Amino acid sequence: GAGVSQSPSNKVTEKGKDVELRCDPISGHTALYWYRQRLGQGLEFLIYFQGNSAPDKSGLPSDRFSAERTGESVSTLTIQRTQQEDSAVYLCASSLDLAGLKNIQYFGAGTRLSVL
Amino acid sequence: AQSVTQLGSHVSVSEGALVLLRCNYSSSVPPYLFWYVQYPNQGLQLLLKYTSAATLVKGINGFEAEFKKSETSFHLTKPSAHMSDAAEYFCAVSELQGAQKLVFGQGTRLTINP
Repeated sequence: GAGVSQSPSNKVTEKGKDVELRCDPISGHTALYWYRQRLGQGLEFLIYFQGNSAPDKSGLPSDRFSAERTGESVSTLTIQRTQQEDSAVYLCASSLDLAGLKNIQYFGAGTRLSVL
Repeated sequence: AQSVTQLGSHVSVSEGALVLLRCNYSSSVPPYLFWYVQYPNQGLQLLLKYTSAATLVKGINGFEAEFKKSETSFHLTKPSAHMSDAAEYFCAVSELQGAQKLVFGQGTRLTINP
């Protein structure tokens, strides 16, 4: 597609349930990022994938959070046993991430997660 | 560690007035700096970026920002505000190398008064 696509756009779940969020990056973009945006706050980095390299998971807030990416395609962010504090907008971004260049990250519209 | 501080969570200006959104950063290495805009229910859109070339950077929609190393600032300006500029604005910093993840400020909500 033309841009980064995320699904679902909205997700309401009950506390304790697992959720999966999906991100389709721009075709050809080797780098993929997940961020979390809590109400009234800036974005927090969660995880970064670059090609076949080991992902940078340094931003994941707990072991309930995990993410996968197959090759240079779709990524899924999974939150297990959701808590109310997980309520946020989860944003995905992708970039070309060419070595030696600072490439622009293109963002999807996000998934708004509400944990009741 | 890098950090970004945006002074003023809310800024309100009149249509046609100067827009000034403040951003100060902290970085132990030469940074790359960005301004993103977020319209309601939309993803972030890049306004402009600084990557160690010219210190005055021009972006889309008439916005520009000046990198001032001595002040560790990267303030965003627009000479004349338009109603369509109402949105949330985020300043971000990333490193030259490594994961190139963005570290964002808290955001500034810009309101334009008619």
